[in-house]
Amino acid sequence: DAMVIQNPRYQVTQFGKPVTLSCSQTLNHNVMYWYQQKSSQAPKLLFHYYDKDFNNEADTPDNFQSRRPNTSFCFLDIRSPGLGDAAMYLCATSRDISTDTQYFGPGTRLTVL
Amino acid sequence: DQQVKQNSPSLSVQEGRISILNCDYTNSMFDYFLWYKKYPAEGPTFLISISSIKDKNEDGRFTVFLNKSAKHLSLHIVPSQPGDSAVYFCAASAGGSGYSTLTFGKGTMLLVSP
Repeated sequence: DAMVIQNPRYQVTQFGKPVTLSCSQTLNHNVMYWYQQKSSQAPKLLFHYYDKDFNNEADTPDNFQSRRPNTSFCFLDIRSPGLGDAAMYLCATSRDISTDTQYFGPGTRLTVL
Repeated sequence: DQQVKQNSPSLSVQEGRISILNCDYTNSMFDYFLWYKKYPAEGPTFLISISSIKDKNEDGRFTVFLNKSAKHLSLHIVPSQPGDSAVYFCAASAGGSGYSTLTFGKGTMLLVSP
C-alpha cells in the first residue's frame, strides 16, 4: 500500500543527457513537491505544484523542469545534467500547503557520469 | 544562509537512555515545526510536530519542546531503542502567514547501541 512511489530508485545518466524522474501518489493530495538532497545536506525544495499551479523556487536552475499531467503523477526533467546534479531526488505530497504534513517517497538516486 | 540549523551531525546513545536532538531557527515567521526520521534507502517519514502556540507536544516515547524566545526546539526520545537509529530532520514553516513550504535542517544521525 505504497503511498508515494518514485521510479526509478536509481538512475545513471551521462553528462548532458536529458533524464526524467517519475513520482506518483495514491493519496489524492493537492500538493506535490520535488526536493534535491546532496550528501549530509538538508533537502532543498526545487519546486512544487498546488493542483495545477506551478511554483518555482527562486534559486532553482533553469536546467530543472517539472510536469504534472494529473493529480497522481509528477515528473522532474533535468534537461542537461551536470556532475553537480548528482544527488538524491525526493518527491513529497501534502493535502494542503503550510501546516500540512508532507509524505515522502523513497527517492531516486541520480548518478551523472 | 541556513534558517534551520541542526548543529550536531551525529549523536550516540545507549539503549534505554534518553536521546535529545536539537534544532535552532533564525526566521521569526516560522510557526510550525516538524521532525522527520529517515532510514537509509527510504524517504523521510513524519514523526511529530508542534505549533508555535504550544511549548510541548508528546506522542508515546517522543516529545518535542519549543522555546520560541530562544528560537530553539528539541526532540526527546525516552527510552531510546536500537530501531530509533536513523537520521532525524528538523523542519519549519511559516504557515500562519498563509502560504509556506517547509525549510529543513541538515539532519542529525542518531545511533542507539544495545
